[in-house]
Amino acid sequence: DIQMTQSPASLSASLEEIVTITCQASQDIGNWLSWYQQKPGKSPQLLIYGATSLADGVPSRFSGSRSGTQYSLKISRLQVEDIGIYYCLQAYSAPLTFGSGTKLEIK
Amino acid sequence: EVQLVESGGGLVQPGASLKLSCVASGFTFSDYWMSWVRQTPGKTMEWIGDIKYDGSYTNYAPSLKNRFTISRDNAKSTLYLQMSNVRSEDTATYYCTRGQIRGRVMDAWGQGASVTVSS
Repeated sequence: DIQMTQSPASLSASLEEIVTITCQASQDIGNWLSWYQQKPGKSPQLLIYGATSLADGVPSRFSGSRSGTQYSLKISRLQVEDIGIYYCLQAYSAPLTFGSGTKLEIK
Repeated sequence: EVQLVESGGGLVQPGASLKLSCVASGFTFSDYWMSWVRQTPGKTMEWIGDIKYDGSYTNYAPSLKNRFTISRDNAKSTLYLQMSNVRSEDTATYYCTRGQIRGRVMDAWGQGASVTVSS
């Protein structure tokens, strides 16, 4: 199975701050990486797919990038509504595997 | 509006069976791969498996393949997850998801069905 190592496990940041979450894949997964946001008490929602493509309706302050087997999610200006848990998912090969999640809070 | 509504969760004893359903609306169900994903109480996410749009192919997490079965009824726009011989570690919230790009991007999620395995 492909392992996705996500960091940090938790993050506290100030409003308007830049936030970066990373996932390291245990092998090449190409661009088969998506990011999901789970707000408190809600279901996960797609943010980014294909490592860098923004899903419909997602604010432009979210962006995804790739460097080799390391993938990053960046929030350019943190807003209150961004609190929640963020997960990466590799879909290069089955079984699909998620990162362990990053809990984002406002400082 | 795309909607996925799971049902069938609840409290179940170890060793029992349980079948979850997910009714889809707002899109042509038979055009999409569908998946089941679960989230443990500790917030760990686990992919259970997926099913091709016509039901002709399924794929499972190896650790669950022998106990879980995914099926669908396109005439009813409904996805199913049959769980057998459940264990305490199956306690989780179960989500059905709609898949884009051969199911590899989960662009819609249900509200989740809670399953608790306990005697």
